[in-house]
Amino acid sequence: KQEVTQIPAALSVPEGENLVLNCSFTDSAIYNLQWFRQDPGKGLTSLLLIQSSQREQTSGRLNASLDKSSGRSTLYIAASQPGDSATYLCALNFNKFYFGSGTKLNVKP
Amino acid sequence: GAGVSQSPRYKVAKRGQDVALRCDPISGHVSLFWYQQALGQGPEFLTYFQNEAQLDKSGLPSDRFFAERPEGSVSTLKIQRTQQEDSAVYLCASSLVDFEAFFGQGTRLTVV
Repeated sequence: KQEVTQIPAALSVPEGENLVLNCSFTDSAIYNLQWFRQDPGKGLTSLLLIQSSQREQTSGRLNASLDKSSGRSTLYIAASQPGDSATYLCALNFNKFYFGSGTKLNVKP
Repeated sequence: GAGVSQSPRYKVAKRGQDVALRCDPISGHVSLFWYQQALGQGPEFLTYFQNEAQLDKSGLPSDRFFAERPEGSVSTLKIQRTQQEDSAVYLCASSLVDFEAFFGQGTRLTVV
């Protein structure tokens, strides 16, 4: 079974900081990797999708990278804002999605 | 609508009651997934459909759980004789094969 680990489990930062969320996995034979955001009591919102052949994807202040050889992905958030506060989940697509437990981010005004 | 729609949003069931959860995927999406999410955890895979074919049901926790997608669009997840450990958020997602997955808002099931 694919194991997905997200570090840290929780993170609290002041507004304006740049930050990195980490995702590691055990099996590199993935189709793609997707980063999601989940607000309390809500479903998952897709942030970025990285295909297996790609190294990174960018959307606005978000940048996600993928290194299959080391079994790692990172989500970089630039100039964090209080509205970024949420739980961030990475998911590996292996015909089905394997999720980490998420990183709960709190950005303080 | 443009997104994945799930109903009901909230369901309270008495222990032993049967429940049915509905998922309307994005039109044209071939793949449909059901996930179960416990509080503070990431979603756990339940089952996967490609069109009307259930290709993987390895995550269904017991034979009380049953899913169908008879016409390759709307899907229903049925839980028979609900138990307290079934309390969770049930998430549905759809996608084109191997492409970006889109999730619904989920159904929060509470078994009392």
